[in-house]
Amino acid sequence: KNEVEQSPQNLTAQEGEFITINCSYSVGISALHWLQQHPGGGIVSLFMLSSGKKKHGRLIATINIQEKHSSLHITASHPRDSAVYICAVSPSYGGATNKLIFGTGTLLAVQP
Amino acid sequence: DVKVTQSSRYLVKRTGEKVFLECVQDMDHENMFWYRQDPGLGLRLIYFSYDVKMKEKGDIPEGYSVSREKKERFSLILESASTNQTSMYLCASSLEYSPLHFGNGTRLTVT
Repeated sequence: KNEVEQSPQNLTAQEGEFITINCSYSVGISALHWLQQHPGGGIVSLFMLSSGKKKHGRLIATINIQEKHSSLHITASHPRDSAVYICAVSPSYGGATNKLIFGTGTLLAVQP
Repeated sequence: DVKVTQSSRYLVKRTGEKVFLECVQDMDHENMFWYRQDPGLGLRLIYFSYDVKMKEKGDIPEGYSVSREKKERFSLILESASTNQTSMYLCASSLEYSPLHFGNGTRLTVT
């Protein structure tokens, strides 16, 4: 079993819909990261969080440390949100080296 | 804004060739990483470095080596390229306990 599991693996939505991507992990962590990768593009860090909730524009990330679960929400989705969204964790045993454990990603397609 | 630059976007090499992938970051980050990304497998760590001349193996180091002679530059070396090393290679850098900054990737094809 992977240490970081994402669901769903693929998601198709209509423009304007509210989208949720889930991430569960099985190790102790110091932080959780949400990353975005557009087709053919590099990877961009969206959020790094260790508790509670963070918001940036239409994106919201939440984490429940006790349940070892995080969600990424996209409000009022738009075709430009189409990308792969990757969840990654900084395991507690990794210290300051920032060696992340990655999920396999969620491919999101938002149709106009 | 942090910039991580990978020297090539696309690269085609022949089996047995020695291949160098270069990565440069401009923000004085201690940590630098080389990943490969394959469909269905996600990102896998090849090597990382937490200081000049310091390196540690990641999850899949076989067939690769690295060099970090200067803080801003981290090179990945394929000693003798093989077809199973055809992949997308991504470099990243970070400070301690901070988000990673990725380069745009190098798509390597070994024929």
